[in-house]
Amino acid sequence: GAVVSQHPSRVICKSGTSVKIECRSLDFQATTMFWYRQFPKQSLMLMATSNEGSKATYEQGVEKDKFLINHASLTLSTLTVTSAHPEDSSFYICSASESSYNEQFFGPGTRLTVL
Amino acid sequence: AQKVTQAQTEISVVEKEDVTLDCVYETRDTTYYLFWYKQPPSGELVFLIRRNSFDEQNEISGRYSWNFQKSTSSFNFTITASQVVDSAVYFCALSEADSGGSNYKLTFGKGTLLTVNP
Repeated sequence: GAVVSQHPSRVICKSGTSVKIECRSLDFQATTMFWYRQFPKQSLMLMATSNEGSKATYEQGVEKDKFLINHASLTLSTLTVTSAHPEDSSFYICSASESSYNEQFFGPGTRLTVL
Repeated sequence: AQKVTQAQTEISVVEKEDVTLDCVYETRDTTYYLFWYKQPPSGELVFLIRRNSFDEQNEISGRYSWNFQKSTSSFNFTITASQVVDSAVYFCALSEADSGGSNYKLTFGKGTLLTVNP
């Protein structure tokens, strides 16, 4: 089956620093990648959709300057949380798809804690 | 209005009981997909099933079964003879084309926390 990895699995950082999370499709080419955020005991909320080589499309209410998404290759997308604050602490999950119509395969998630 | 409603926030059962998790969805599209995912405490989403809007046939996979009823916009999930390892949060999700028609986006329900007690 399709495998998606995320790195790191856990990260703790100080307030004001930036954190980069990587999402990789290991055995298929991901034309489209999605980034979700999940607060404790809540559902997954889509943050943005990125198509390889294009700018990401952000959901309403998600600050594009704060959550920088790069999808420069067919196997890698990165999410950078800039100037992180404690309220950005959350579980970030990526998913990857061979096309915008195909099934999404989820990564294992990254737990971010901002002190 | 929520697009995916999982009315049961938490369910607690005793091992070997059958349990049904409800999911009601809302969409104007004729082509859409429905999913169920399991999220154990580790956090990783486990894919359980995908159903397209044109296939109303119910499905059984081991102890799991799904009942898709377009007439009531429901896609319910039943676990037969539940086990402690079934304890997790279960999410129902709807995939439909976005306003531009170019991307299929997943909308998740709020999830149902299932606890199976020994």
